[in-house]
Amino acid sequence: GQNIDQPTEMTATEGAIVQINCTYQTSGFNGLFWYQQHAGEAPTFLSYNVLDGLEEKGRFSSFLSRSKGYSYLLLKELQMKDSASYLCAVGPPSGGSYIPTFGRGTSLIVHP
Amino acid sequence: DAGVTQSPTHLIKTRGQQVTLRCSPKSGHDTVSWYQQALGQGPQFIFQYYEEEERQRGNFPDRFSGHQFPNYSSELNVNALLLGDSALYLCASSLNLKSVAGYTFGSGTRLTVV
Repeated sequence: GQNIDQPTEMTATEGAIVQINCTYQTSGFNGLFWYQQHAGEAPTFLSYNVLDGLEEKGRFSSFLSRSKGYSYLLLKELQMKDSASYLCAVGPPSGGSYIPTFGRGTSLIVHP
Repeated sequence: DAGVTQSPTHLIKTRGQQVTLRCSPKSGHDTVSWYQQALGQGPQFIFQYYEEEERQRGNFPDRFSGHQFPNYSSELNVNALLLGDSALYLCASSLNLKSVAGYTFGSGTRLTVV
């Protein structure tokens, strides 16, 4: 089975940096994914880490340590529109269909 | 290019009734997966359809059933509705069973059971 843990809620100030952590325990692993979901909208794909290390994409970066079962999503230069839920998801064992298993999500509130 | 479309957007049903939700995948996608997202929770996998067959299923009772049509669109049916079935139902489509970055979600159907 798979168990994914992330904080329920975080708050930050516009222009600041915030790090959202995710820990996971899984019987198989083939990548860790981050999605952004605004209230009432579809989750949208942000990033995908399959190897250890940092992946940078504009203001968003994602880090993975497979040995520690740990990932984080780093958001820089926060904007009000970044207020959303951020979902950590683990991919299936190698060779299987892609069916991500999601954590409960971290609700990020950005205030002026 | 239309993305994943779901209908209806909102629905209110009474306990014990049956409901059908619909999903049209993104153009070029042939695989459809359904998720249930309760308030404050992450999406939970219900089942996945490919080539008009259910390929994988999550931990949901038989009251939840589905179908995929030759044009790749899909339906989710829930029988004997319970209050606990109230949730956002998301459909996701992909190019094939193993596609990752192209996994695209629809905006969902908000089901309220009263």
